[in-house]
Amino acid sequence: GESVGLHLPTLSVQEGDNSIINCAYSNSASDYFIWYKQESGKGPQFIIDIRSNMDKRQGQRVTVLLNKTVKHLSLQIAATQPGDSAVYFCAENGETSGSRLTFGEGTQLTVNP
Amino acid sequence: DGGITQSPKYLFRKEGQNVTLSCEQNLNHDAMYWYRQDPGQGLRLIYYSQIVNDFQKGDIAEGYSVSREKKESFPLTVTSAQKNPTAFYLCASKASGRGESYEQYFGPGTRLTVT
Repeated sequence: GESVGLHLPTLSVQEGDNSIINCAYSNSASDYFIWYKQESGKGPQFIIDIRSNMDKRQGQRVTVLLNKTVKHLSLQIAATQPGDSAVYFCAENGETSGSRLTFGEGTQLTVNP
Repeated sequence: DGGITQSPKYLFRKEGQNVTLSCEQNLNHDAMYWYRQDPGQGLRLIYYSQIVNDFQKGDIAEGYSVSREKKESFPLTVTSAQKNPTAFYLCASKASGRGESYEQYFGPGTRLTVT
């Protein structure tokens, strides 16, 4: 079936560096993508989203890039801080027009002081 | 203070017992969802409901049941038929309608341990 997957299960960076978390998706019908952050033992929190009519969207310290040609999504975190340590998930809406989201497996980001 | 609440945070049960997990939201969202998360893994959809008195199976509905009698509430029952019930359970909700956002808002989760 269709799936959303992540290239790297773990990512370790130094405090202050920029982080890039990647995500591959396979459903060409997806027109909405979202990134969540999940801290240990907590529910996921919304970070940023993007629709397929855009290729870049910026938030506070975060940027999401969408490459529809190769079905690739990335989350860039600028000046990574220890508080950014968490698991990051991407998700897509697939062919459901938003009634469901399909989540990737997640990437564990560890920020070293 | 709007949001989604799940209770309890930790739940322990003996094998063979049914257990019901609570999920309440005061965001006036029409759609609600239940996910299961196993250690080091992503979220898998159990059941979802787009409107009161209606719900659909997700990808791993076997051994679970839900009800949606009120807009605010979407309880999940883990039955004795669920072979591996120990997991972290997450409830989410989403607004719907014209100009809908696809963002799902998550509760804090319930960690269920069955021994």
